[in-house]
Amino acid sequence: GDSVTQTEGLVTLTKGLPVMLNCTYQTTYSPFLFWYVQHLNEAPKLLLKSSTDNKRTEHQGFYATLHKSSSSFHLQKSSVQLSDSALYFCALSPSNMGYKLTFGTGTSLLVDP
Amino acid sequence: ETAVFQTPNYHVTQVGNEVSFNCKQTLGHDTMYWYKQDSKKLLKIMFSYNNKQLIVNETVPRRFSPQSSDKAHLNLRIKSVEPEDSAVYLCARNWDTQYFGPGTRLLVL
Repeated sequence: GDSVTQTEGLVTLTKGLPVMLNCTYQTTYSPFLFWYVQHLNEAPKLLLKSSTDNKRTEHQGFYATLHKSSSSFHLQKSSVQLSDSALYFCALSPSNMGYKLTFGTGTSLLVDP
Repeated sequence: ETAVFQTPNYHVTQVGNEVSFNCKQTLGHDTMYWYKQDSKKLLKIMFSYNNKQLIVNETVPRRFSPQSSDKAHLNLRIKSVEPEDSAVYLCARNWDTQYFGPGTRLLVL
């Protein structure tokens, strides 16, 4: 079955530093990949998405590139802010089964002053 | 604006009781979902409905049952709650991009 792996449970950084959150996936279909961000006591919100191989997608200073050759969709930001502290989920939807999202276990990002 | 509305926000109940959660979406999309987010923040799909038809039914206990009167509403009933049902239940809308409601937090004592 489909799966999403996020290797870091917690990432702690100082404000202004760059960050990369890892996401790899497994599926036998042509995938849609998503990043969701969840702030404390809020619902997950879509951050960005992609289904195009080797094309960078950006939103709110975050960016990611889907690499089908390595089954990866890492999330990056060049300079984190305090407000970026949140839980980040990578998720997968097979293109022919768009009604189902499979989520990774999430990575907590904590940004220190 | 996610246009997904859930009630109640929070519910406390005792083991064995029946509970029901409501979800409504106002953009006319065909597909709605229920997800469970447990105490470790893991998110898992429970059910998916497309235009009032059940299309995904993951392995959830039989005490959980979705109910859809029209494509704007998808409710969730739990017949006899158990302690492990304590979680946040998230409703979502749309097809390949999902937008989540604020969630209903259930605490089973």
